Amino acid sequence: SQKIEQNSEALNIQEGKTATLTCNYTNYSPAYLQWYRQDPGRGPVFLLLIRENEKEKRKERLKVTFDTTLKQSLFHITASQPADSATYLCALDPSLGNAGNMLTFGGGTRLMVKP
Amino acid sequence: DVKVTQSSRYLVKRTGEKVFLECVQDMDHENMFWYRQDPGLGLRLIYFSYDVKMKEKGDIPEGYSVSREKKERFSLILESASTNQTSMYLCASTTNNSPLHFGNGTRLTVT
Repeated sequence: SQKIEQNSEALNIQEGKTATLTCNYTNYSPAYLQWYRQDPGRGPVFLLLIRENEKEKRKERLKVTFDTTLKQSLFHITASQPADSATYLCALDPSLGNAGNMLTFGGGTRLMVKP
Repeated sequence: DVKVTQSSRYLVKRTGEKVFLECVQDMDHENMFWYRQDPGLGLRLIYFSYDVKMKEKGDIPEGYSVSREKKERFSLILESASTNQTSMYLCASTTNNSPLHFGNGTRLTVT
């Protein structure tokens, strides 16, 4: 069956360190993968999109990698700050032809950055 | 900025009631979606719509229906609410090949 897995345990790190979150998938061939941030009581907010032919994408302190051989994406936050504390969701496009934007989401990983 | 507005942040309903969750977006997006989010299960797609009066089932449509009479509005209907429909409901919109824009959710409790 198709599956997207993110570490369900919270990730606790010290301020200033690099946070690395993992998204693994099985039985998909996604055209692209997206990362979202979700704060408590709010809807997810889009952060980054990476396409299958891209190895790496950066935006300010954020970096995403996409390894279609390993079927894995890594999401990095460098110089982390307490304000980065949130749940981070990965989502992918199942590449089902005309499914368009019918994304499938992982369960999310909660990041806690301690001052 | 795109704004997706869900009419209620919190709702409490009784078992068997008909429940309407409303969602409005202001960016003329063609595509709209309803997800539910539960601890340990992530976001699961209930229904989506690519155009006015058009709807498609997602992964968990049972017990739900939708209505899209106008492009900017997408309604989720629980015909007869049950306790297992207690959840956070998230509406989202997008235009083709762009990321999803979510509302802030409606937390529904069915007692």
